[in-house]
Amino acid sequence: GENVEQHPSTLSVQEGDSAVIKCTYSDSASNYFPWYKQELGKRPQLIIDIRSNVGEKKDQRIAVTLNKTAKHFSLHITETQPEDSAVYFCAASIDDYKLSFGAGTTVTVRA
Amino acid sequence: SAVISQKPSRDICQRGTSLTIQCQVDSQVTMMFWYRQQPGQSLTLIATANQGSEATYESGFVIDKFPISRPNLTFSTLTVSNMSPEDSSIYLCSSHPVTLPDTQYFGPGTRLTVL
Repeated sequence: GENVEQHPSTLSVQEGDSAVIKCTYSDSASNYFPWYKQELGKRPQLIIDIRSNVGEKKDQRIAVTLNKTAKHFSLHITETQPEDSAVYFCAASIDDYKLSFGAGTTVTVRA
Repeated sequence: SAVISQKPSRDICQRGTSLTIQCQVDSQVTMMFWYRQQPGQSLTLIATANQGSEATYESGFVIDKFPISRPNLTFSTLTVSNMSPEDSSIYLCSSHPVTLPDTQYFGPGTRLTVL
């Protein structure tokens, strides 16, 4: 089955700086790549996603890039704010819509 | 997005007992999924619940331990059977908007503690 690796496991950034989280996947048939943000005690919240026919997608301060050849995708958060502190999960799926998740990245934004 | 609710939000159970978790979606959807999130860990898919057919289980999960029902297009239940402390986790259901089958939204989760 699909194996998704996520790095780093923890990330501490100064408020206003950028944060980048990287994921790699194993199944070249994967075609959908969502990112979820999970605050403590809350449900995972979909923040952005990208499909395999697109190389980059941006939504305000967050962006995702996809490199199908290398089988990796990344989340970029610019101008980080304290409310960006959370655990971020990447995931991948193929046509069966089952999500395989990365291990998660704990992001801490220092004021 | 799909609006998803779960009941109960949390429970504390004795080992050897069973707990049934309910998941309700605000629209008729083809697929509903059940995930487990162990403390401090990522999400792992337990099974896919399809209306009108048996649930499809992932490797490491079996129907006897996690029976699933899907009586209609808006509702599903997951039962955690014969519980042990290792079953202490958050159990989440997810589903998708009608027009976006690959886009999953999660319910609030059920935090289960087994003593």
